Amino acid sequence: GDSVTQTEGLVTLTEGLPVMLNCTYQTAYSTFLFWYVQHLNEAPKLLLKSSTDNKRTEHQGFHATLHKSSSSFHLQKSSAQLSDSALYYCALSDWTGGYKVVFGSGTRLLVSP
Amino acid sequence: GGIITQTPKFLIGQEGQKLTLKCQQNFNHDTMYWYRQDSGKGLRLIYYSITENDLQKGDLSEGYDASREKKSSFSLTVTSAQKNEMAVFLCASRRDSQNTLYFGAGTRLSVL
Repeated sequence: GDSVTQTEGLVTLTEGLPVMLNCTYQTAYSTFLFWYVQHLNEAPKLLLKSSTDNKRTEHQGFHATLHKSSSSFHLQKSSAQLSDSALYYCALSDWTGGYKVVFGSGTRLLVSP
Repeated sequence: GGIITQTPKFLIGQEGQKLTLKCQQNFNHDTMYWYRQDSGKGLRLIYYSITENDLQKGDLSEGYDASREKKSSFSLTVTSAQKNEMAVFLCASRRDSQNTLYFGAGTRLSVL
């Protein structure tokens, strides 16, 4: 079945340093990849998404590129801000008679001054 | 805009009890989802539904039932609560045109 792997459970950074959160996936289908962000005491919300191979997608200073050859969709930002501290989920969806959406285990990003 | 409302916000149950969680959305979205959120395990799909009266099992459906009697509502039943179980259950609906999930605020379950 479909699966998403996020290898880091916790990433701690100093403000101003670059961010990279890893995401790899397995699926037998053509698919969409997503990053969702959940701030403390809030619901998860979409950060960015892509279905196009090798095309960079950007939103709110974050960017990711879907690489189907390596089944990866890593999230990056050039300079971390305190407000980026949150839980980040990578997810995929594909058509299996309905849009099943599968999430990874999540990476908590903590940015300190 | 729209909203997803989950009730109750907090649910305390006894071991072996059947517990029902409710979700309402006014987006008029077709597809709805139930996820369980546990620290370190991410969001695990329990059930989803692509239309009224449709139910599709996710990877974590054992121990749960679901019901979609109306397009706007999707309920989840824990068939037998496990002692010391603690988790957050998140409901979501999908905006097809944007391939985006919108989540409710969650129901936090504790079992004594």
